[in-house]
Amino acid sequence: ETGVTQTPRHLVMGMTNKKSLKCEQHLGHNAMYWYKQSAKKPLELMFVYSLEERVENNSVPSRFSPECPNSSHLFLHLHTLQPEDSALYLCASSPEGSGAGLRDGYTFGSGTRLTVV
Amino acid sequence: QKEVEQNSGPLSVPEGAIASLNCTYSDRGSQSFFWYRQYSGKSPELIMSIYSNGDKEDGRFTAQLNKASQYVSLLIRDSQPSDSATYLCAVAYTGGFKTIFGAGTRLFVKA
Repeated sequence: ETGVTQTPRHLVMGMTNKKSLKCEQHLGHNAMYWYKQSAKKPLELMFVYSLEERVENNSVPSRFSPECPNSSHLFLHLHTLQPEDSALYLCASSPEGSGAGLRDGYTFGSGTRLTVV
Repeated sequence: QKEVEQNSGPLSVPEGAIASLNCTYSDRGSQSFFWYRQYSGKSPELIMSIYSNGDKEDGRFTAQLNKASQYVSLLIRDSQPSDSATYLCAVAYTGGFKTIFGAGTRLFVKA
């Protein structure tokens, strides 16, 4: 495996379900991110982890819960979602850590297309 | 409120022409600037980064940065139908991890 891998690729869930999105990066990067992409809207930053510590939380509803057990893995736990949460959820990684600033850009995973019914 | 603005398009150019994509940003504390390409149904892919005023060339792509005017652009020379995609401008800020994305410009290259 190379790059950033996300699973599942597609997910349909009811509003009362609990599910998790998984992201794994094989690049040795220090920072990992969750972004939400809705149609015709800019990417919205949800969470940032640097060296396994959460450094950014962009006022995301508590029905989204991130977890970063190590520098290679990132999860997004979902529960009691709303239909407006349907979107493409993108995981990304970058080499930087510890607030060094972003110089090298992101490597994105292929995303999870989430539909809440 | 930091913002990144792009014309949503679509921008349509004939094959072989130069495509010019533009982006403005609101915060002078911006440090790094990126262009991502996103094909329909796919995730964004980094194609260019630029940090200093002036031009940076990579193959058919040239990124241009003018910090005084808070403006960054991407030129695609000899455009090909395979360049048809949405191009996202992204701006990163000093000392942190926050990157702000524009909504993207859709480019169509007609054969």
